[in-house]
Amino acid sequence: EIVMTQSPATLSVSPGERATLSCRASQSVSSNLAWYQQKPGQAPRLLIYGASTRATGIPARFSGSGSGTEFTLTISSLQSEDFAVYYCQQYNNWPTFGPGTKVDIK
Amino acid sequence: QLQLQESGPGLVKPSETLSLTCTVSGGSISSSSYYWGWIRQPPGKGLEWIGSIYYSGSTYYNPSLKSRVTISVDTSKNQFSLKLSSVTAADTAVYYCARQWLMNWFDPWGQGTLVTVSS
Repeated sequence: EIVMTQSPATLSVSPGERATLSCRASQSVSSNLAWYQQKPGQAPRLLIYGASTRATGIPARFSGSGSGTEFTLTISSLQSEDFAVYYCQQYNNWPTFGPGTKVDIK
Repeated sequence: QLQLQESGPGLVKPSETLSLTCTVSGGSISSSSYYWGWIRQPPGKGLEWIGSIYYSGSTYYNPSLKSRVTISVDTSKNQFSLKLSSVTAADTAVYYCARQWLMNWFDPWGQGTLVTVSS
């Protein structure tokens, strides 16, 4: 099993600031990594796949980078609707998810 | 626009079998580009992939759940289904169905359905 870890568990950010979320895989997953956003009471929404490709309709303020075992999701200027929990998921092997990073208002 | 909708009992007794169906609308479940998956989320916790199926019936499962899981597909109804046997309280979760791009990422997701295991 490929174990995914995310840091920090909670990130407190002011609107308009930049947020940087990290995801690490226990072994290399190449670029086979996706990011999701989940708001309370809602299903996850795909943001990024292939480590860096934005999904359809995702604003340009969301960007992904990394390969191998280290990945980053950056939100360049946080909007009110971006406060949520973010999960990474690898699909190099059978799918596994990270525990999530909660982005809340500072 | 593709939509997925989960349906099934919201309450299941311990040791019984949880059964859910996902109905796909706005597109065909028989597309060669996709698998169709089940993911669950215990209350207040993270996401766990359960398993996925191709329209041909080919499946792959989370090894930790494999002995209890069966996923099937009915292309005539544009549906796929989940059965999880011998459930315990630990299986209480919101269960989501989702389209899976080949064996990769999941998009879109259904709204999810809460299943509680309790006597």
